[in-house]
Amino acid sequence: GNSVTQMEGPVTLSEEAFLTINCTYTATGYPSLFWYVQYPGEGLQLLLKATKADDKGSNKGFEATYRKETTSFHLEKGSVQVSDSAVYFCALSVNTDKLIFGTGTRLQVFP
Amino acid sequence: DTGVSQDPRHKITKRGQNVTFRCDPISEHNRLYWYRQTLGQGPEFLTYFQNEAQLEKSRLLSDRFSAERPKGSFSTLEIQRTEQGDSAMYLCASSLEGLGEKLFFGSGTQLSVL
Repeated sequence: GNSVTQMEGPVTLSEEAFLTINCTYTATGYPSLFWYVQYPGEGLQLLLKATKADDKGSNKGFEATYRKETTSFHLEKGSVQVSDSAVYFCALSVNTDKLIFGTGTRLQVFP
Repeated sequence: DTGVSQDPRHKITKRGQNVTFRCDPISEHNRLYWYRQTLGQGPEFLTYFQNEAQLEKSRLLSDRFSAERPKGSFSTLEIQRTEQGDSAMYLCASSLEGLGEKLFFGSGTQLSVL
């Protein structure tokens, strides 16, 4: 079946540190891949997406590259801020618009 | 654009009672989704509508769960004879057909079954 596996959190970083949150997937067919973010007290919102192999999604300084050979879509940011503290969800969609989410990774950034 | 709104924000009920949640999507969105999220887990798909038609239901959605979207606008999710295992955050999201992956989520209804 289709599934997403994320690294467990929390991930705790100091401001300006480099961030990587790992995400791997299993899918039948050719999925589109997404990162959603949930800030404290808010609903989930789309952060970035990639729809085919080798595509790079980017937004707000975050990037993720669709790697078909390693079935991965790792989220990276070169310099995190306290305001990036949130829960990050990797997700996929195959042929339909139904999203399948990972378990989420909590990021805590301290000044 | 007022976003996706859900009501109530919190619901506490006793086991065996029925509960109903409401979701108002973004007005021009024709797709509406229900997800369930438990602590430490990602959202799990329950069902979705395109306009008033319910197009897909998850196997997670037992016979005690029913969802409607009678006029293609707001939606309700009813849980009959609630069980403690139903305790979760129930999330609603909406989107435009063709841009379905960009879901706009509400803040959810937190259900606690005692």
